[in-house]
Amino acid sequence: GAVVSQHPSRVICKSGTSVKIECRSLDFQATTMFWYRQFPKQSLMLMATSNEGSKATYEQGVEKDKFLINHASLTLSTLTVTSAHPEDSSFYICSALEPASGQETQYFGPGTRLLVL
Amino acid sequence: SQKIEQNSEALNIQEGKTATLTCNYTNYSPAYLQWYRQDPGRGPVFLLLIRENEKEKRKERLKVTFDTTLKQSLFHITASQPADSATYLCALLGVVYNQGGKLIFGQGTELSVKP
Repeated sequence: GAVVSQHPSRVICKSGTSVKIECRSLDFQATTMFWYRQFPKQSLMLMATSNEGSKATYEQGVEKDKFLINHASLTLSTLTVTSAHPEDSSFYICSALEPASGQETQYFGPGTRLLVL
Repeated sequence: SQKIEQNSEALNIQEGKTATLTCNYTNYSPAYLQWYRQDPGRGPVFLLLIRENEKEKRKERLKVTFDTTLKQSLFHITASQPADSATYLCALLGVVYNQGGKLIFGQGTELSVKP
């Protein structure tokens, strides 16, 4: 089946630093990837839709200058949390649309746990 | 606004019984609905998709129903096992972008199957 990886799986950083999270589709090409954030005991909240070769589409309330998304290839999207603060601590999950499934099923990465001190 | 509700209380059942989870939605007419499983500290894993013109879909011990009149989906796990313990999320298609849909997730229901 379609496999999506994320790196790193866990990161701890100091307040004010930037953190980059990578999302890769390992065995398929994904023109569309999604970035979600999940706080404890809460649902996944879509942050942005990442389209290869074009600018990401951000959801209402998500600061595009703080959460930089780059989808430079058909297998890689990156999310950079700039000037991270403790309130950015969360579980960040990416997903990718797998073409063979008719663009209906999203395959999720394992997530990245971010802790900002 | 569109709203999806799942039973926020954890569901505890005995091994071998059937687990039934509920997903209700309002202000919405989705083309399809999906169910995912999420283990602690992990990303969701796709389980089943059911379309608006389908009443029921099965996959091994899993069964999903979709009642567009009641605006409700039921997710059943028959002959449940402790390994089925996880959080189960329902998701509906939101706005359709150029090459795919935006999923809106419920908050999930935590299932615990006791041996």
